[in-house]
Amino acid sequence: NAGVTQTPKFRILKIGQSMTLQCTQDMNHNYMYWYRQDPGMGLKLIYYSVGAGITDKGEVPNGYNVSRSTTEDFPLRLELAAPSQTSVYFCASSYRAARSDYGYTFGSGTRLTVV
Amino acid sequence: QQQVKQSPQSLIVQKGGISIINCAYENTAFDYFPWYQQFPGKGPALLIAIRPDVSEKKEGRFTISFNKSAKQFSLHIMDSQPGDSATYFCAASMDTGRRALTFGSGTRLQVQP
Repeated sequence: NAGVTQTPKFRILKIGQSMTLQCTQDMNHNYMYWYRQDPGMGLKLIYYSVGAGITDKGEVPNGYNVSRSTTEDFPLRLELAAPSQTSVYFCASSYRAARSDYGYTFGSGTRLTVV
Repeated sequence: QQQVKQSPQSLIVQKGGISIINCAYENTAFDYFPWYQQFPGKGPALLIAIRPDVSEKKEGRFTISFNKSAKQFSLHIMDSQPGDSATYFCAASMDTGRRALTFGSGTRLQVQP
């Protein structure tokens, strides 16, 4: 029972490099989310998806892209890394738009540093 | 109007004491208010949640108090234990538009033995 799996756990990028943060869930959840967590700032929504083939922007989408070709996978793409993207990234999924008593299931996070 | 404001930023409580964390929101369309608990190196996990049709919900040592008119809600941790030391986030969501949680800025709780 893996839940939400994020890879990699840690990554250091140079300015201008690109990378994809992987997120996979095995709970057949329709809703998936990407958040970034900065110290003292809580979690900010980057992108979300309500089902395969459907994605939408959150509060802080600039510099990121997502795709949702399957129910299980929701990768986050950084095209031109900038120091402002240094953060901890969390992927989450939910059964019913975060409103059920089961809430979100979060992955363990990816700590990204851009130098 | 999407913002959820949380206070205090950090809190130190003695073992056995009561921990109280407060949140306020502006958007009256919010109708689901969960609290999440996060331990270092882990993702947040749902702790307890409330909907605005009730003023209080209790699960074990954890209680949410909700004041709809003031647009405020709070988490009370009774008989706080060192194992409760974690970061706590309040959040809110609505059933229209962007169907995702909006999180507060977090409270780092330290329970001293």
